[in-house]
Amino acid sequence: GQQVMQIPQYQHVQEGEDFTTYCNSSTTLSNIQWYKQRPGGHPVFLIQLVKSGEVKKQKRLTFQFGEAKKNSSLHITATQTTDVGTYFCAGRRRSGAGSYQLTFGKGTKLSVIP
Amino acid sequence: EPEVTQTPSHQVTQMGQEVILRCVPISNHLYFYWYRQILGQKVEFLVSFYNNEISEKSEIFDDQFSVERPDGSNFTLKIRSTKLEDSAMYFCASEGVFTDTQYFGPGTRLTVL
Repeated sequence: GQQVMQIPQYQHVQEGEDFTTYCNSSTTLSNIQWYKQRPGGHPVFLIQLVKSGEVKKQKRLTFQFGEAKKNSSLHITATQTTDVGTYFCAGRRRSGAGSYQLTFGKGTKLSVIP
Repeated sequence: EPEVTQTPSHQVTQMGQEVILRCVPISNHLYFYWYRQILGQKVEFLVSFYNNEISEKSEIFDDQFSVERPDGSNFTLKIRSTKLEDSAMYFCASEGVFTDTQYFGPGTRLTVL
């Protein structure tokens, strides 16, 4: 079955430093989604990437989808304490009758030291 | 803004007991999902549900698990005979038509003693 691997597992940064998390899939993805989960919270959708080589930006967050559609990255510029949480990538594939299944990576837990 | 709700927020049960976790998806959504997250681990897919039937289920979703949409608003996950390893956070998610986003509820923390 589809496997999604994510590194690093943990990242501690000083406030103001940049942060990057990487996601790799064992199979080609039709699309990839990124979620953020705050401590004690639930996954919250951030963005979806569909096209090969796609790059999307949300303020200080930059998302990339690889040319082969098997890898993706999330880069945060100048981290803030509000960025703390676990960032998950998730491969999305059809699971029958029009519904979709998400296969999550293990996540990267970001800590920001003020 | 509409949101997915789940009850209870925390359920404690004895091993072997049945539990029912309840979810109210966003009202005009048609696709419903259950995921679980064991403490400190990744989110895992359990089951997807559409048009009053299961679309797909993972290997975790064995005969002890069942889902139901008993009325127009609730979506439930039943575990017939809980095991210690069922202890996890269970998230319900729903998705509308023409959208690629699954909206997650706040989760139910299940503790099996």
